[in-house]
Amino acid sequence: QQPVQSPQAVILREGEDAVINCSSSKALYSVHWYRQKHGEAPVFLMILLKGGEQKGHDKISASFNEKKQQSSLYLTASQLSYSGTYFCGTSNRDDKIIFGKGTRLHILP
Amino acid sequence: GAVVSQHPSRVICKSGTSVKIECRSLDFQATTMFWYRQFPKKSLMLMATSNEGSKATYEQGVEKDKFLINHASLTLSTLTVTSAHPEDSSFYICSASSSGESTDTQYFGPGTRLTVL
Repeated sequence: QQPVQSPQAVILREGEDAVINCSSSKALYSVHWYRQKHGEAPVFLMILLKGGEQKGHDKISASFNEKKQQSSLYLTASQLSYSGTYFCGTSNRDDKIIFGKGTRLHILP
Repeated sequence: GAVVSQHPSRVICKSGTSVKIECRSLDFQATTMFWYRQFPKKSLMLMATSNEGSKATYEQGVEKDKFLINHASLTLSTLTVTSAHPEDSSFYICSASSSGESTDTQYFGPGTRLTVL
């Protein structure tokens, strides 16, 4: 079942914060976050496995809620290099990763 | 992070011809490789999962006789688009995983843009 990402697109000015959400109707086994720039391969950001988990560094971090049905990616004090499309990929145990439709992020100088 | 390469990066071919795309893991052994297709501004659509030394597992709606996958070694998987048609034009991306488990990171190749005339 494909996870639902929101928002579909967001435009920020450099230095502003953004939150991208990824949700599922069922409890998940894992959540993977990737960023893809136009015409390039998706680049791995992080993976979350435990309910209530938070990881990342102060600029880019993510959380996985206790019920393991929602994950959020936090971009703090965004930089121009953060522009791209962000995908979450989710899986159930022993199952393949299914990617959401993506969130396009555009950072303005 | 781990490096995955794809070759070629771009290919233009005539309708009816076959095209082979290679996916290599350069600095790790990939037990499992995944092949995706991506349309402009769309998500990654999983086509098939290939495990070294065994037959690929295709997703529903993907023709296995049209998209031939071979995973001959722990560092190489190939996707052959047979008798290509214009509707096969797309961005094809592979990813590689050392274990294939859903908790394991997938490292993506740079993609191959196929244009069928």
